[in-house]
Amino acid sequence: NAGVTQTPKFQVLKTGQSMTLQCAQDMNHEYMSWYRQDPGMGLRLIHYSVGAGITDQGEVPNGYNVSRSTTEDFPLRLLSAAPSQTSVYFCASSYSPIVMPYNEQFFGPGTRLTVL
Amino acid sequence: KNEVEQSPQNLTAQEGEFITINCSYSVGISALHWLQQHPGGGIVSLFMLSSGKKKHGRLIATINIQEKHSSLHITASHPRDSAVYICAVARDDKIIFGKGTRLHILP
Repeated sequence: NAGVTQTPKFQVLKTGQSMTLQCAQDMNHEYMSWYRQDPGMGLRLIHYSVGAGITDQGEVPNGYNVSRSTTEDFPLRLLSAAPSQTSVYFCASSYSPIVMPYNEQFFGPGTRLTVL
Repeated sequence: KNEVEQSPQNLTAQEGEFITINCSYSVGISALHWLQQHPGGGIVSLFMLSSGKKKHGRLIATINIQEKHSSLHITASHPRDSAVYICAVARDDKIIFGKGTRLHILP
């Protein structure tokens, strides 16, 4: 199993550009989520999905879109990049967000994004 | 006020010392997670707790549901334990993270 994979590892964008951060998992997990990590802020939830075809907003959704057409993939789209979106982005997955013991979170390696 | 508070924010200790990291939360939860973020950035799950105590090697995690408090202990600490330790709580269908505790173990 590859676990949770994210691409790219690093990305530099100019203000106003759009791009998609890719996230995939091969563990048949229903729950997938995107977080951003900023210095001194901890991980903050951007969007999440409890299954294919279902997505919902987290704490900081503005400027980001997601879709979940398959169980495996959960891409995060930046519509018009802004310097405030400079951050490290993590994708995570689990069978369930809350039901023990199926709620162990598996994280991707992260994408470091810089917006100039 | 953050829903998940960790203390201390930073901790430096000598190799061999007993380490305690604390986590307090203000909401009803279904589970609590302890995670470790390595200096390279990778995040791994250490424990998931809904009650009592769990032990894995030199790591022990406890939770007191009534007091809304959890602790992570490291016995016989080692420089390889240097990392950021993150407490997170599961509520509804979201996971809420603390800001982390940066631990540095000196040889």
